[in-house]
Amino acid sequence: DSGVTQTPKHLITATGQRVTLRCSPRSGDLSVYWYQQSLDQGLQFLIHYYNGEERAKGNILERFSAQQFPDLHSELNLSSLELGDSALYFCASSPPQGAPGYTFGSGTRLTVV
Amino acid sequence: AQSVTQLGSHLSVSEGALVLLRCNYSSSVPPYLFWYVQYPNQGLQLLLKYTTGATLVKGINGFEAEFKKSETSFHLTKPSAHMSDAAEYFCAVSSNFGNEKLTFGTGTRLTIIP
Repeated sequence: DSGVTQTPKHLITATGQRVTLRCSPRSGDLSVYWYQQSLDQGLQFLIHYYNGEERAKGNILERFSAQQFPDLHSELNLSSLELGDSALYFCASSPPQGAPGYTFGSGTRLTVV
Repeated sequence: AQSVTQLGSHLSVSEGALVLLRCNYSSSVPPYLFWYVQYPNQGLQLLLKYTTGATLVKGINGFEAEFKKSETSFHLTKPSAHMSDAAEYFCAVSSNFGNEKLTFGTGTRLTIIP
């Protein structure tokens, strides 16, 4: 157990639907990062939150959004889903200071049918 | 901007042979460098990382990597491959400012031949 919890582990949904992926960071970590892993795009950075505030955006589609709550858990919302959104979605957390230690969750596998 | 290049998307080595996975990075600021391993249907596990100090970094499962600034490289090695090393390996870079995103290479899938 890495200490980063992602739910659900698997999700199957239809095109056009909306889903929410959840991530709880390691205790004490203030940063949450979301990544998408697909066969054709590899590991792509989506978005970074630090202590509730958005810090950086990567290759995140406008149909996707995220937020980090006061208890530091984060949610990634994916809407108007397309077949191409099928992928593994990882979150990672890192501590607020000192040498970085990115710890990854086990991921959510999203299948859009 | 930062980037990582991993040479070879696939590598096959015999059990007991040397494993060498290549990683070159580009960074306009001093980098932090990482190697992660991903076993089938699993998440990313940290093998080792370079932050500051000693350039030869030892990690888990007998792996080590050497940071060579002049060559902008951070190659991963293991003297003797084991069947359990079969997995995908990712090199990644972040800046040393802290709380910056990781940029990953495209990964190298390692196959071990019995």
